Amino acid sequence: DQQVKQNSPSLSVQEGRISILNCDYTNSMFDYFLWYKKYPAEGPTFLISISSIKDKNEDGRFTVFLNKSAKHLSLHIVPSQPGDSAVYFCAVGSTSYDKVIFGPGTSLSVIP
Amino acid sequence: GAVVSQHPSRVICKSGTSVKIECRSLDFQATTMFWYRQFPKQSLMLMATSNEGSKATYEQGVEKDKFLINHASLTLSTLTVTSAHPEDSSFYICSAKGQGAPGANVLTFGAGSRLTVL
Repeated sequence: DQQVKQNSPSLSVQEGRISILNCDYTNSMFDYFLWYKKYPAEGPTFLISISSIKDKNEDGRFTVFLNKSAKHLSLHIVPSQPGDSAVYFCAVGSTSYDKVIFGPGTSLSVIP
Repeated sequence: GAVVSQHPSRVICKSGTSVKIECRSLDFQATTMFWYRQFPKQSLMLMATSNEGSKATYEQGVEKDKFLINHASLTLSTLTVTSAHPEDSSFYICSAKGQGAPGANVLTFGAGSRLTVL
């Protein structure tokens, strides 16, 4: 059973508009959450993270929102740019153990 | 920032041979390194976790005799695919975290290694 779900395998957004990527997790023991961006044939690159004590973290065009009660987080990209086109992985972890578990990813296409 | 170097980026080998992939943390000491495998259009599947100087912890379903992981120093971990077969063809990615890395909980990833077994 998947512990981390990204129910939208793909998303298309017009340049300049907002991209919203969603992620749901099942285990309430997770206490930090990350988003990674990945281009084909490359390793993922860290984008933004949030710990369970916060509900929002912002870094430039990227904002991550965390709703602990719903076990849901989302990544907002605004304004979206063509260079943002990539696969975005949601990842969750716990300070109690080393493992970080990744969701299946959402492929974002930003259309010029 | 923290950099993880992975080598080789691409390798093609014959069935039955062994292949070694290296993962190095260039500017920080990686107390923990992780090895992932990614099939096309699928997520990153954690294969094993290795801590420097101790045996790797393998995820369920990962054959430890087939995927040998060594973490001999704080800056180097290796993954050896033994007696490779075509079904082992995949994209293997390492990641590391440790002292000097960007945040205690943030993983720094290598660029990945594309293994093709003929």
